[in-house]
Amino acid sequence: AQSVTQPDIHITVSEGASLELRCNYSYGATPYLFWYVQSPGQGLQLLLKYFSGDTLVQGIKGFEAEFKRSQSSFNLRKPSVHWSDAAEYFCAVGTLGNEKLTFGTGTRLTIIP
Amino acid sequence: ETGVTQSPTHLIKTRGQQVTLRCSSQSGHNTVSWYQQALGQGPQFIFQYYREEENGRGNFPPRFSGLQFPNYSSELNVNALELDDSALYLCASSWDRANTEAFFGQGTRLTVV
Repeated sequence: AQSVTQPDIHITVSEGASLELRCNYSYGATPYLFWYVQSPGQGLQLLLKYFSGDTLVQGIKGFEAEFKRSQSSFNLRKPSVHWSDAAEYFCAVGTLGNEKLTFGTGTRLTIIP
Repeated sequence: ETGVTQSPTHLIKTRGQQVTLRCSSQSGHNTVSWYQQALGQGPQFIFQYYREEENGRGNFPPRFSGLQFPNYSSELNVNALELDDSALYLCASSWDRANTEAFFGQGTRLTVV
């Protein structure tokens, strides 16, 4: 069965500092990988996705993620965070032929001035 | 703004009652998936509808049921509500069953008392 682990429940970073959120997945087939962001009281917004090809993918709002098959990881990065980036971030995995997305438990990001 | 709208936004029900949640898909999308997000957790897949047929189901009991209409809007019905059904219910629409780009609504917050 596919699974996603986000080891960090809560991360606090200073505004302007760099950010890396960790995601590890477990799945037998070639996965599709996603990062979503959820602001309080909101639904999920897709930040970026990986299906194949270049393992470094660019997303919206200045985010990027790198797929590392050998480490079963898909970590999200941003070089300089803004106060508006404070939110809950979810990594998810899916695959061709499988109708469901499997989500991690999320990482809450707090930004301090 | 994703174009996916859910109603109502908040709902309070009594244990044992029945509830219907509604989702209007983004234009051009023929696939709708429903997720349950308990407090502090990632979304859990309930089921998916593709062209009015159920296309897959997660680990939820039969009292969770759904419908998809010819215009691809959808309903989630939950019978015999239990306290543990209290959660945010998210609807996601996509143009394909693999959810290569799923757009989420803002969710319905259901509280069972």
